[in-house]
Amino acid sequence: DQQVKQNSPSLSVQEGRISILNCDYTNSMFDYFLWYKKYPAEGPTFLISISSIKDKNEDGRFTVFLNKSAKHLSLHIVPSQPGDSAVYFCAAALELNTPLVFGKGTRLSVIA
Amino acid sequence: EPEVTQTPSHQVTQMGQEVILRCVPISNHLYFYWYRQILGQKVEFLVSFYNNEISEKSEIFDDQFSVERPDGSNFTLKIRSTKLEDSAMYFCASTRQATDTQYFGPGTRLTVL
Repeated sequence: DQQVKQNSPSLSVQEGRISILNCDYTNSMFDYFLWYKKYPAEGPTFLISISSIKDKNEDGRFTVFLNKSAKHLSLHIVPSQPGDSAVYFCAAALELNTPLVFGKGTRLSVIA
Repeated sequence: EPEVTQTPSHQVTQMGQEVILRCVPISNHLYFYWYRQILGQKVEFLVSFYNNEISEKSEIFDDQFSVERPDGSNFTLKIRSTKLEDSAMYFCASTRQATDTQYFGPGTRLTVL
């Protein structure tokens, strides 16, 4: 049962370029979508979220795009920095305080 | 900045033993959660807790699991009789109100031998 899918297990990007991480979901009832970043031996750290009424949310270098008709969201990081190297998890929820459904994660490596 | 903390960072136990994983949520938060991540797999929801009772639980959260908020600061997950397949990272999360995002602790690595 993969309600949230991140089809790329890994991604390598050069420092200064754009990183694009993708996520697909199957449950049209999801109302909130979130991106978390995780370093080894740490818990997931919240990055950015978007509700289903929006198609874009921006916070500094991070922008999340939501395409509801395609059930697809993406995280753009511009410019990418070596400190961005981590595992990025896409998560979805019916409401913000309800259980998060996570994807398997994408390991981003930003090469200096 | 306030953080969710968890203890211990690593717990090793024998199969069949009881373990208690401890979490201290952010102090003014009201909603509490446990998730787990088996090595190589996705983070999975276990249980949510609000107003001193379970509000939602997954099918993973069977009779071997229980949660408690024994005082105003701690939130615990107990596994009564551990199995090998309970080996995982266990993450606690909390949120202040229904419209906030969930903030995660650093996790406890549980190893069942």
